[in-house]
Amino acid sequence: DIQMTQSPSSLSASVGDRVTITCQASQDIGNYLNWYEQKSGKAPNLLISDASNLEEGVPSRYSGSGSGTDFTLTISSLQPEDIATYYCQEYESLSFSFGQGTKLEI
Amino acid sequence: EVQLVQSGGGLIQPGGSLKLSCTVSGFNVGTNYMSWVRQAPGKGLKWVALIYSDGTTKSADSVKGRFIISRDSSKNTLFLQINNVRADDTAVYYCARGGPLRGFDPWGQGTLVTVSS
Repeated sequence: DIQMTQSPSSLSASVGDRVTITCQASQDIGNYLNWYEQKSGKAPNLLISDASNLEEGVPSRYSGSGSGTDFTLTISSLQPEDIATYYCQEYESLSFSFGQGTKLEI
Repeated sequence: EVQLVQSGGGLIQPGGSLKLSCTVSGFNVGTNYMSWVRQAPGKGLKWVALIYSDGTTKSADSVKGRFIISRDSSKNTLFLQINNVRADDTAVYYCARGGPLRGFDPWGQGTLVTVSS
């Protein structure tokens, strides 16, 4: 199976900060990478598909980049409602592996 | 409105069986990839099973031979039959549209399955 490794595991930042979360795949996955946000007690929500494609309705402060094995999720100006755990997920393989998550606190 | 409404979770003894349901509105389960994803308490997300539009299924190695994904297109409902459960199957189970070629979106609200004697 493809292993997805996120860093950091947790992150504390202030409102207005630029926040970056990284995700590394154990093998080349092209751009077959999604990012999700999961707020406490809720189902995950797809933010970015194909590594950099912002889903409809997702604020423009979110962006994704990368290809191959190294990917980044950036929040350009952190807002209070961005408190959540963020997950990357590959769909190059039929294991659909997720990263372990990055818990973002303010 | 696109909506996935789940039911069927609960407390189950080790070795027991349970069937989860996911009733969909706003799109057709029979023409979309549909998946189940689970999340153990305080842990991350793990994909469990997938059903293709042609009815072909695939499941994670950890549940292969024990969990069965299926659908009833006439009721626009997705199912997950969970058999011979173990303590480490305790999790919130989510249904979602997606799998190959696309992300998981949207998701059901989740249903908790607790395996305990």
